[in-house]
Amino acid sequence: DTAVSQTPKYLVTQMGNDKSIKCEQNLGHDTMYWYKQDSKKFLKIMFSYNNKELIINETVPNRFSPKSPDKAHLNLHINSLELGDSAVYFCASSGTPGGPGNIQYFGAGTRLSVL
Amino acid sequence: GESVGLHLPTLSVQEGDNSIINCAYSNSASDYFIWYKQESGKGPQFIIDIRSNMDKRQGQRVTVLLNKTVKHLSLQIAATQPGDSAVYFCAEITRGGKLIFGQGTELSVKP
Repeated sequence: DTAVSQTPKYLVTQMGNDKSIKCEQNLGHDTMYWYKQDSKKFLKIMFSYNNKELIINETVPNRFSPKSPDKAHLNLHINSLELGDSAVYFCASSGTPGGPGNIQYFGAGTRLSVL
Repeated sequence: GESVGLHLPTLSVQEGDNSIINCAYSNSASDYFIWYKQESGKGPQFIIDIRSNMDKRQGQRVTVLLNKTVKHLSLQIAATQPGDSAVYFCAEITRGGKLIFGQGTELSVKP
């Protein structure tokens, strides 16, 4: 029944590894997002997809590659993980691309720890 | 540049008291603002929103006030309960459709 679900919830890995985080929403929304939350709780948008098309791409290292196989899924692949990638990553979805009256619904987050 | 920030990083209140969480924003072109609540180990959860053509909006036990003159937003929680303990974020939606979050205020409710 979870509206926006992410897997895994926790991810511990070594520097240099490649990892993926998956996100699925069952709300019928057109737009999905990835956010990064640092140790000070600051939330920053990374990517946004609308109907499988990339519409927001913030200044994120190209080691991060989002993929949207369909509008209900948005996965995040990270290559050559670095210590600074340690954070909590949140997936979110909304009905239309962030317009007024539009609410973004968030997943529970994936806590990534790079050792 | 765009930024949304909070005046206080932490706020401690007694159960039953009213809480006021403040937020300053710098993008005067933003026309939509949202308050989110994030409990420990969970994702942000929508609380209430307000458009720039409004000064005040009320929900259940929560009220958001918007002062466009000084670019200030506040969230008032009436009769604060232990379950209100969380980090609260204000956020603005830019014309480009991005949701920009403020720093966050951690609210602690003492029994």
